[in-house]
Amino acid sequence: AQRVTQPEKLLSVFKGAPVELKCNYSYSGSPELFWYVQYSRQRLQLLLRHISRESIKGFTADLNKGETSFHLKKPFAQEEDSAMYYCALMARQAGTALIFGKGTTLSVSS
Amino acid sequence: GAGVSQSPSNKVTEKGKDVELRCDPISGHTALYWYRQSLGQGLEFLIYFQGNSAPDKSGLPSDRFSAERTGGSVSTLTIQRTQQEDSAVYLCASSLVRTDTQYFGPGTRLTVL
Repeated sequence: AQRVTQPEKLLSVFKGAPVELKCNYSYSGSPELFWYVQYSRQRLQLLLRHISRESIKGFTADLNKGETSFHLKKPFAQEEDSAMYYCALMARQAGTALIFGKGTTLSVSS
Repeated sequence: GAGVSQSPSNKVTEKGKDVELRCDPISGHTALYWYRQSLGQGLEFLIYFQGNSAPDKSGLPSDRFSAERTGGSVSTLTIQRTQQEDSAVYLCASSLVRTDTQYFGPGTRLTVL
C-alpha cells in the first residue's frame, strides 16, 4: 500500500537555525514526491516537487530511494517559514491522486 | 487568472441533514480532486475526476458521500445524513492533467452540530 509518514506533528526552532522536516514513503514503484505548504489563513500551495530539483524559498528536498525518504531542509529558518507542511506522494503507475502525510507544523521563533 | 473557488466558505448544519459543497476549478484543468482536512488526520483523499473517465471514488469514507462533475467543469460533493464526524475542511484542487501540479481552493469548513 502507498503511504506517506511525517513523524513530527510539530517542529519548533529558533530563527537562523537549520530545519529538517522528515518524510518517509512506502511505494514499490517509481514515486514522485512533493512538498506542499499552508501558511496561516492561506490556501494550500505547492512548495516543491522532486523532479524539478529546485530550491524554493531556500528549501530543498532530495529523494533518497534507498531510505525511501524525501526530507525537506533549509539551512537558516526564518519566522515567515512558520506554516503547516505536507509531504505527498504520486504513484504514477497506479494512476491515483496524491497521497498526503498528516503534516508537520513548523514554528520559527525569534 | 482566477484560481480554484469553493462555496460556501463555511457551512453549519444539523446532524442528519444533507449538504452540498461546490467547487469551480481553474478553466481548462481536466483533473479535479476532493480532499478532507481534519485535525490530526491531515489531508485525506476522497475522490478524483479525470476528463471524461470514470471517477476514482476509492477514498470516499461511506456511501453517504458522493460527487459529480458536470460538463467537465464544476463539481459538487454531496454528503447525505451528515454525522458529527463529517465535520472538517473540505478542499478541492484541480490540475491541468493528473500528473501536473495541483492548485487548491480555499476550502469549505463544515460543522455538523
